Amino acid sequence: SQQGEEDPQALSIQEGENATMNCSYKTSINNLQWYRQNSGRGLVHLILIRSNEREKHSGRLRVTLDTSKKSSSLLITASRAADTASYFCATATGGGADGLTFGKGTHLIIQP
Amino acid sequence: GAGVSQTPSNKVTEKGKYVELRCDPISGHTALYWYRQSLGQGPEFLIYFQGTGAADDSGLPNDRFFAVRPEGSVSTLKIQRTERGDSAVYLCASSFNEVVAEQFFGPGTRLTVL
Repeated sequence: SQQGEEDPQALSIQEGENATMNCSYKTSINNLQWYRQNSGRGLVHLILIRSNEREKHSGRLRVTLDTSKKSSSLLITASRAADTASYFCATATGGGADGLTFGKGTHLIIQP
Repeated sequence: GAGVSQTPSNKVTEKGKYVELRCDPISGHTALYWYRQSLGQGPEFLIYFQGTGAADDSGLPNDRFFAVRPEGSVSTLKIQRTERGDSAVYLCASSFNEVVAEQFFGPGTRLTVL
């Protein structure tokens, strides 16, 4: 079963604009991670935020976490064509290595 | 160093056959995971190894699915009596140890059961 639900399912924006994706989950978590997937194959880890953190930045990425609402958001600023991909949130209930529970993903298209 | 590798990249088999999918994790990574991903869905957790032992196999859908990691490095996912519903991309990932949460994924094996 999948815990996370990303919103929207698909997003199309112009290059240079900001893209925001949201994720909701159901159970208590230890951490939440965002991954990117190109062409339906391997996933690339983007950022991890722990349950005691509220916001984290990495380059053009900003992630927020609201454990009271069981939700997270991923913001990509100044989008580029190369950002076109599917983005997944994944939750872990354990403290370290743990099987992740993924959402269905948001398909992001950056139009040049 | 090399990333996670998986072989074969594509596997086509007939209903009822047995298949083996191989995963080579990043050298030195002690944790290894298997997921499967159906079209339009996120990856679904199958099993997690810490070293040679399966630390969590709660995601295996039934007893037709089995995985091993005999020397704590390479892992093989085995599917007996394949069914058309087993068709999916099977993803393998590894992480440094039992503490580090970030997972590194391989390119996957696309399994098609005819």
